[in-house]
Amino acid sequence: NAGVMQNPRHLVRRRGQEARLRCSPMKGHSHVYWYRQLPEEGLKFMVYLQKENIIDESGMPKERFSAEFPKEGPSILRIQQVVRGDSAAYFCASSPKIAAGTGELFFGEGSRLTVL
Amino acid sequence: GQQVMQIPQYQHVQEGEDFTTYCNSSTTLSNIQWYKQRPGGHPVFLIQLVKSGEVKKQKRLTFQFGEAKKNSSLHITATQTTDVGTYFCAGQNSGGSNYKLTFGKGTLLTVNP
Repeated sequence: NAGVMQNPRHLVRRRGQEARLRCSPMKGHSHVYWYRQLPEEGLKFMVYLQKENIIDESGMPKERFSAEFPKEGPSILRIQQVVRGDSAAYFCASSPKIAAGTGELFFGEGSRLTVL
Repeated sequence: GQQVMQIPQYQHVQEGEDFTTYCNSSTTLSNIQWYKQRPGGHPVFLIQLVKSGEVKKQKRLTFQFGEAKKNSSLHITATQTTDVGTYFCAGQNSGGSNYKLTFGKGTLLTVNP
């Protein structure tokens, strides 16, 4: 399956711990987006990255959250010192270079973070 | 910032009945996309509308984009149990950060067999 791969699918953390969520885009896709979804809510844009570049992080909280998309390896969304309010499903999506801005997003199955 | 409103939030129908969800943007859009998310699943792209007044059909699904490119609708004819899920519209701005999709909160459709 050459779809967008996210791991872990489920993650449980205690308050104050760190959460690392990984996303491997579809083959040939160089644009990665992270969205957060709270229960019964829509998807909230967090960050848009291309290889080695953060293009737009306007949806990311200023503190504790960071994202990267290195030249080699998956994109990582990192949440430091997690709090209960961080509990949510985090979806990664990718798009091919040509379709960026005008085409569909291909979503992974999400990482569901629970903070105890 | 841009806001996308979607109504209704929930819709429960009997199998065979029709269903419509409406989407309104606070700003003019370059295009609008629709996604479906099954319970516990991830969003899956359904369609993209680009032109003012555009209408597209996929079997029992009909998608419309308003003349002003600020609203859209999804209509399902004769719903089936396989239609269950949350339907999201997502708009892209006509200027500036045109890569950013702003999602509505979605309409959760349940179908009674």
